[in-house]
Amino acid sequence: KAGVTQTPRYLIKTRGQQVTLSCSPISGHRSVSWYQQTPGQGLQFLFEYFSETQRNKGNFPGRFSGRQFSNSRSEMNVSTLELGDSALYLCASRRDDNEQFFGPGTRLTVL
Amino acid sequence: DAKTTQPPSMDCAEGRAANLPCNHSTISGNEYVYWYRQIHSQGPQYIIHGLKNNETNEMASLIITEDRKSSTLILPHATLRDTAVYYCIVRVADYGGSQGNLIFGKGTKLSVKP
Repeated sequence: KAGVTQTPRYLIKTRGQQVTLSCSPISGHRSVSWYQQTPGQGLQFLFEYFSETQRNKGNFPGRFSGRQFSNSRSEMNVSTLELGDSALYLCASRRDDNEQFFGPGTRLTVL
Repeated sequence: DAKTTQPPSMDCAEGRAANLPCNHSTISGNEYVYWYRQIHSQGPQYIIHGLKNNETNEMASLIITEDRKSSTLILPHATLRDTAVYYCIVRVADYGGSQGNLIFGKGTKLSVKP
């Protein structure tokens, strides 16, 4: 069974731009969560989607948004990028329990 | 905030058992103990979880004290590939529910040395 995939793996943007990251969950997993990882703040939860609906949200500004499609694939978008948005963005999918399967992440660098 | 306390780093000799401690003195009766690890530049990987009984799988063993205020993850024969940051997380079971978020602390950086 294929794991969680994320695209692109690496991305360089400049301040003020926007970015869209993509996540394909494991087949049959309907829940997708997004996390941000930085050296200073560690791993922080962004939001979770289930059946195309956001049902849990972390403490991030409105510049961070996401969506989920009917095939459970998910995208997250960051608008008006800031230098502090440079991070590893991780996506995780799960079935109905707490065992989350993480993708390899997208490394975003904002210049 | 994370409800667990872990040592920031530990060393282990290759082939020996690695014992990673975790304190969770405020754990509630319905909260499980989960362990994940993150190898450099990869996504976290689930290892094991338990409620109050000791658990074992192909990767590790989890020993939870009787009062449930602390636990130990045991890698029985550590290899160089086990070098990673290990996270101990406590949370309620959320089967089919809406609490998909994991709250990560800073974890323990385990270095397995030849």
